[in-house]
Amino acid sequence: GEDVEQSLFLSVREGDSSVINCTYTDSSSTYLYWYKQEPGAGLQLLTYIFSNMDMKQDQRLTVLLNKKDKHLSLRIADTQTGDSAIYFCAEDSGNTGKLIFGQGTTLQVKP
Amino acid sequence: EAQVTQNPRYLITVTGKKLTVTCSQNMNHEYMSWYRQDPGLGLRQIYYSMNVEVTDKGDVPEGYKVSRKEKRNFPLILESPSPNQTSLYFCASREAYSDTQYFGPGTRLTVL
Repeated sequence: GEDVEQSLFLSVREGDSSVINCTYTDSSSTYLYWYKQEPGAGLQLLTYIFSNMDMKQDQRLTVLLNKKDKHLSLRIADTQTGDSAIYFCAEDSGNTGKLIFGQGTTLQVKP
Repeated sequence: EAQVTQNPRYLITVTGKKLTVTCSQNMNHEYMSWYRQDPGLGLRQIYYSMNVEVTDKGDVPEGYKVSRKEKRNFPLILESPSPNQTSLYFCASREAYSDTQYFGPGTRLTVL
């Protein structure tokens, strides 16, 4: 069945780059997403990538997609303490509006 | 302002007492969904609706009901809540054939 996997925790120092990884199983997904959830808050769409793209850059965020290996990554350059949050990878599933989410990666940014 | 609203935001209740969490969107979106978020499990879809009077089960529908009588509203009903339904619930909506899903702020439910 459909499955999305992420590591649960990542700790970096302020100013370093963070790389959050995700693997997925459904090769028919059209879009893959990264959401951010700050403590006590809802989900914020950070960025997404169309499945026929390899890379997308948006300011400090770079998304890399390896479709052959079904691997998605989110790189945050110059990580700041305000980037501390849970990051969810998600893939769409057909035309039902359903998203399949990973477990979420908690990013801890140390000063 | 385009948004998805949920009420209540926080709710503590007891086992067996029926409750409804409301969800409303003002963007005229066709698709609406309910998810629950649990630690270490991410978000899992409970039910979804592709339009008025069209609803279907997601991955974890047991113990929940939904209805879609109007396009803007998609309430989540727990007829007889149990402690294993303690969770953070998100409603979401999007246009058909769109790539962007909008999430509500979440409802934190505790069932004692």
